[in-house]
Amino acid sequence: AQSVTQPDIHITVSEGASLELRCNYSYGATPYLFWYVQSPGQGLQLLLKYFSGDTLVQGIKGFEAEFKRSQSSFNLRKPSVHWSDAAEYFCAVGLNQAGTALIFGKGTTLSVSS
Amino acid sequence: DAEITQSPRHKITETGRQVTLACHQTWNHNNMFWYRQDLGHGLRLIHYSYGVQDTNKGEVSDGYSVSRSNTEDLPLTLESAASSQTSVYFCASAGTKNTEAFFGQGTRLTVV
Repeated sequence: AQSVTQPDIHITVSEGASLELRCNYSYGATPYLFWYVQSPGQGLQLLLKYFSGDTLVQGIKGFEAEFKRSQSSFNLRKPSVHWSDAAEYFCAVGLNQAGTALIFGKGTTLSVSS
Repeated sequence: DAEITQSPRHKITETGRQVTLACHQTWNHNNMFWYRQDLGHGLRLIHYSYGVQDTNKGEVSDGYSVSRSNTEDLPLTLESAASSQTSVYFCASAGTKNTEAFFGQGTRLTVV
C-alpha cells in the first residue's frame, strides 16, 4: 500500500538559512508526488508536484524538490527561508494513476526564528 | 472566479446524529475528495469520486458515506456521529489526472 513518511515532526530554522524537509514514500510504480503547505487556520496550497521527467522540480515561493527513485525520497528545499514560510508542510503521493486521490504524510511544522 | 466551497465552516453535533457536510466546486472537475485532518495524523483520505455516480473508499471510510449525483457536489454524510469523528474535514477537487487538487477552507466538526 502507498504510504508517506515525514521523519521530522517539527523543524526550526533561522531566517535566511537554508531548509530541507524530508519525505520518503512507498509506491510500487512511478509515483505522483506533491508538496503542500498549510498556514494556520487555512486550507492547503500546492507548492510543487512531480509526475515524470526532470527529477528536480521548481515550485512557488522559491521552493524546489528532488525526486530520487533509488532512495524513495522527494525532499523539499529552499535556499533562504523567510519568516512567512512558517507553516505546516505536507508531502503526498498519488493513490493511483487514475486520478489524484492523495495519501499524505503526517506533516512537518516549520518554525522560523529571527 | 471558479472555487470550491465547504459548508458549514463550523458545526457542533451530538453523538448518534446524522450529519452532512457540503462541498461544492465550480471548476467542473471530475475528481472530488474528502479528507480529515487530525493532530499527529496529517490528512487522511475518506472517500473520493472520479465522476458522477462513482464513489470509492479511502483510508478511513468507516462511518462515512458520499454520493455523487452531479459534477459540482460531493456531500459527506456521517451516518451516526461519534466523538472519534471530531476533526477538521477538507474537500478537494481536481481535473484530469495530471493536475493539482484544489482544497476548500475546511469544516471543523465537533461531536459532543
